[in-house]
Amino acid sequence: QVQLVESGGRLVKPGGSLRLSCAASGFTFSDYYMSWIRQAPGKGLEWISDISSSTNTILYADSVKGRFTISRDNAKNSLYLQMSSLRAEDTAVYYCARSQDAVTNQYYGMNVWGQGTTVTVSS
Amino acid sequence: IVLTQSPGTLSLSPGERATLSCRASQSVSTSYLTWYQQKPGQAPRLLIFGASRRATGIPDRFSGSGSGTDFTLTISRLEPEDLAVYYCQQYDGSSFTFGPGTKVEIK
Repeated sequence: QVQLVESGGRLVKPGGSLRLSCAASGFTFSDYYMSWIRQAPGKGLEWISDISSSTNTILYADSVKGRFTISRDNAKNSLYLQMSSLRAEDTAVYYCARSQDAVTNQYYGMNVWGQGTTVTVSS
Repeated sequence: IVLTQSPGTLSLSPGERATLSCRASQSVSTSYLTWYQQKPGQAPRLLIFGASRRATGIPDRFSGSGSGTDFTLTISRLEPEDLAVYYCQQYDGSSFTFGPGTKVEIK
């Protein structure tokens, strides 16, 4: 079945780095843009980054620009988020989600989400 | 583009109609206005895309409408399982943003 599974979340000290992964299955990964979205404890959803299927278009929210790097490996059906200079306010559940259909170039919403991985930034 | 959702919390009885508002600080293309449902302890789920198109498997009691800066999600007859936070989202070509959410409580 169509599925996204995030991993890599853990406790990390302020200023530290972390790499999150998102493994896709059940669909042609290379046909879709992919996004990372996070949710701080008790708060709403915050989009943080999006990457096109060919990686030629990458977008970041201002809150993470220059600190986070999104990437993907279509051969491994995997999405990544390299996070550096982590701050307490980066503490959140991080979700990956399937985004725009690159074949039709249509946006049908983020129609597949993972279960999330928890990142805690604390000393 | 900043999205504002109202009300913050909506408390209704089963069978009642819920009307959730999403207002944008600038005009949003209907193609890029999306609604999500997040139940407690779960990941968000896509409800409506393209402002008014129901996602696969979404009951027809959920409907979306609107254009420009004003969009609405309507739940025609509330069910107990509709207890959730509902978020609108927009994409303007350079970033996505989510609204703060409307929490729907069932009396």
